[in-house]
Amino acid sequence: QVQLQQSGPGLVRPSQTLSLTCAISGDSVSSNSATWTWIRQSPSGGLEWLGRTYYRSKWYNDYAVSVKSRITINADTSKNQFSLLLNSVTPEDTAVYYCARSFGATGEWGQGILVTVSS
Amino acid sequence: DIVMTQSPDSLAVSLGERATINCKSSQSVLYSSNNKNYLAWYQHKTGQPPKLLIYWASTRDSGVPDRFSGSESGTDFTLTISSLQAEDVAVYYCQQYYTTPLTFGGGTKVEIK
Repeated sequence: QVQLQQSGPGLVRPSQTLSLTCAISGDSVSSNSATWTWIRQSPSGGLEWLGRTYYRSKWYNDYAVSVKSRITINADTSKNQFSLLLNSVTPEDTAVYYCARSFGATGEWGQGILVTVSS
Repeated sequence: DIVMTQSPDSLAVSLGERATINCKSSQSVLYSSNNKNYLAWYQHKTGQPPKLLIYWASTRDSGVPDRFSGSESGTDFTLTISSLQAEDVAVYYCQQYYTTPLTFGGGTKVEIK
């Protein structure tokens, strides 16, 4: 059974880079069938898909248009984890961030981390 | 982007009664090669990560009670809770995973009347 353990700071200063990590147990980040996803929920309520990374003989990434210029999702095969980097953050990036595993639909989620962007 | 429009924003249902949530996609999410709609439903309770209820528009995920069901008609999708239980109080989201960016509906808050 896969488990996803998120880590990272809960407070980030405006204009800085938000950095979160999702450690995977029970599956491989190099899986040829799963995709590894970041999703957030802002205080206003809705879920927003941010992007994903996945391996199909080579690595691929897809990103939401709303953050495409600021986001990077990387896989670290040596640690079996993947990460989210979101630069130039503003208070509008304050949200609960989730990592997740998807086979199309998203069946397994990390516990979520509240990240507040504030000076 | 495919826009997912949910309705209503919220509803209050008596225990044991039926709750119906609607979701409409701005374009088809049907993949013709396998005749499947790439549409999922999630339940999100406060303080917890979302939980997958339904995928392929109508297939219940493992362990999901059979009072939850999904149906489809073209680009219109419905999540039905046949007999609302107290533990079903949550926000429910639809999501299309047909194409990137994957997009969610705005959510429907279900409460007890």
